[in-house]
Amino acid sequence: AQKITQTQPGMFVQEKEAVTLDCTYDTSDQSYGLFWYKQPSSGEMIFLIYQGSYDEQNATEGRYSLNFQKARKSANLVISASQLGDSAMYFCAMREGYSGTASKLTFGTGTRLQVTL
Amino acid sequence: DAGVTQSPTHLIKTRGQQVTLRCSPKSGHDTVSWYQQALGQGPQFIFQYYEEEERQRGNFPDRFSGHQFPNYSSELNVNALLLGDSALYLCASSFGSAEAFFGQGTRLTVV
Repeated sequence: AQKITQTQPGMFVQEKEAVTLDCTYDTSDQSYGLFWYKQPSSGEMIFLIYQGSYDEQNATEGRYSLNFQKARKSANLVISASQLGDSAMYFCAMREGYSGTASKLTFGTGTRLQVTL
Repeated sequence: DAGVTQSPTHLIKTRGQQVTLRCSPKSGHDTVSWYQQALGQGPQFIFQYYEEEERQRGNFPDRFSGHQFPNYSSELNVNALLLGDSALYLCASSFGSAEAFFGQGTRLTVV
């Protein structure tokens, strides 16, 4: 069964600094997708970035990049130039397989990021 | 373009009662998934609907049921509510293999 592990319950980072949020995963599938979502206190899960298992390049979206190390089964999120608005819960998630239609997401327990002045 | 909308935003129910939560997917999306997020936890998959049928189901009892309508909107029903059903219920919509978009959730409190 698929599993996502986020070992950092909480992280602090100073404004304008970079921060790395850790995520490791376990799956027996060769084809899978890895996602990062941000959840502010309002509750909505906001999609940040996606990495497919066959993608050779690490994904980047603005200030977000995903450090994908397939052999180590890790998919760490790097946020550059942190902003106060980045303070939120961050969830790593995995979707197994590819059938042309979306299948369920398996989430980790999340990391609470606090950006300080 | 409206995103995923859920109603109501908050709900308080008594143990043993039944509840219905509603979700309207993002325009152009045809697949709706429901997740339960207990306090301090990551979301847990309940089930997914596509073409008005339940396509996948997580490890939740039959008290949890759902429906998808021809306009792709969806309902989540929970019968015989337990205190442990108190959680944030998230609806996510998607199209094809693209990323899922989530609503703001319904916070259910069972007393």
